[in-house]
Amino acid sequence: TQLLEQSPQFLSIQEGENLTVYCNSSSVFSSLQWYRQEPGEGPVLLVTVVTGGEVKKLKRLTFQFGDARKDSSLHITAAQPGDTGLYLCAGAGNAGNMLTFGGGTRLMVKP
Amino acid sequence: GAGVSQSPRYKVAKRGQDVALRCDPISGHVSLFWYQQALGQGPEFLTYFQNEAQLDKSGLPSDRFFAERPEGSVSTLKIQRTQQEDSAVYLCASSSTGDPYNEQFFGPGTRLTVL
Repeated sequence: TQLLEQSPQFLSIQEGENLTVYCNSSSVFSSLQWYRQEPGEGPVLLVTVVTGGEVKKLKRLTFQFGDARKDSSLHITAAQPGDTGLYLCAGAGNAGNMLTFGGGTRLMVKP
Repeated sequence: GAGVSQSPRYKVAKRGQDVALRCDPISGHVSLFWYQQALGQGPEFLTYFQNEAQLDKSGLPSDRFFAERPEGSVSTLKIQRTQQEDSAVYLCASSSTGDPYNEQFFGPGTRLTVL
């Protein structure tokens, strides 16, 4: 059982569409990170959110940390085929130094 | 290269064999983590080192799993008497400090298949 629940697990959309991925937990995290993982590679950090209610933008990606620091969302505007990959949220500071990962959202953007 | 490297990239073992997976962290990084990623899942924490000290091994699934980092740099994850349920990608990550909020840099992983 994952402490962080991600939804949806799979998402297949057409190029140009918008999408939102959700990351929810019953636990409070000191910070929450979003990673993207390509096949055969390790996760690569996209962003870290620390403050409740914080919103960060990275080009077409918008990340939000919930006010209670238990949930987060990733919104992609005008998705492109290059956005295809596995998106992972991970919480830090809940217990020890490790990251607690969600189950991931596998995104496929069709041209 | 300047990133985290892992070897071998792929390992096929017969059930009952012992395996050793190596991680070369980024030079000078204090913290080193091992994670296990089952197919279609997110990574799950196994163990954590700060320099040569293993500070947390709460995620190791059984006493068949053993990790070491004797000189505070390279780390080895050893799995004894492998079972089919051990099949997964084993990811290593390093971080420059012991701060839990510091970025972790991941290696490409070792894909272990136990037949």
